[in-house]
Amino acid sequence: DAGVTQSPTHLIKTRGQQVTLRCSPKSGHDTVSWYQQALGQGPQFIFQYYEEEERQRGNFPDRFSGHQFPNYSSELNVNALLLGDSALYLCASSLPTGRSGNTIYFGEGSWLTVV
Amino acid sequence: EDQVTQSPEALRLQEGESSSLNCSYTVSGLRGLFWYRQDPGKGPEFLFTLYSAGEEKEKERLKATLTKKESFLHITAPKPEDSATYLCAVQAGGSYIPTFGRGTSLIVHP
Repeated sequence: DAGVTQSPTHLIKTRGQQVTLRCSPKSGHDTVSWYQQALGQGPQFIFQYYEEEERQRGNFPDRFSGHQFPNYSSELNVNALLLGDSALYLCASSLPTGRSGNTIYFGEGSWLTVV
Repeated sequence: EDQVTQSPEALRLQEGESSSLNCSYTVSGLRGLFWYRQDPGKGPEFLFTLYSAGEEKEKERLKATLTKKESFLHITAPKPEDSATYLCAVQAGGSYIPTFGRGTSLIVHP
């Protein structure tokens, strides 16, 4: 049973550049969420995609955008990178919302360093 | 605003020295409370989901319990391989998005 897979695992970008991160959900899951985790912090919710639409969004600027494809995989795009965007970006998948307390499963993350 | 607070921030134990981690929450309408383990540089690994006060779940040396205001993760006779950061998260009210605490960093010395 394939878990959540993310790519790339590590990348370095220059301030002002754009980055795209990719995620394939766990088999059988159709809802994908993205989180940002800074060192020493818990994951912070960016947004969630279901049926190819952004379903819910956290407190992140419009520089953060995403997409979900018909096969449920997803991309996270960040434009105009800032030094403060350096973090571990986590993708998580789950069954559709509407189920009480449905568990989310995380991938291994993509480490982004902005220099 | 929902709050999830984990304590202690860091915990050092000797191998075999049992202890507990705490996750306290102030939310309305708890839907689920989750525990994850996170190794350095890795994504969180799911451990347990608890839905209602009084519920308990066990896995190897770990046991999670839930009351109306907090959850405990009990670690019995820990081993060095149990060293990790343990994250707690809650889903509550009208949102199905879990809110995470900052985690407890556990180090178990041989």
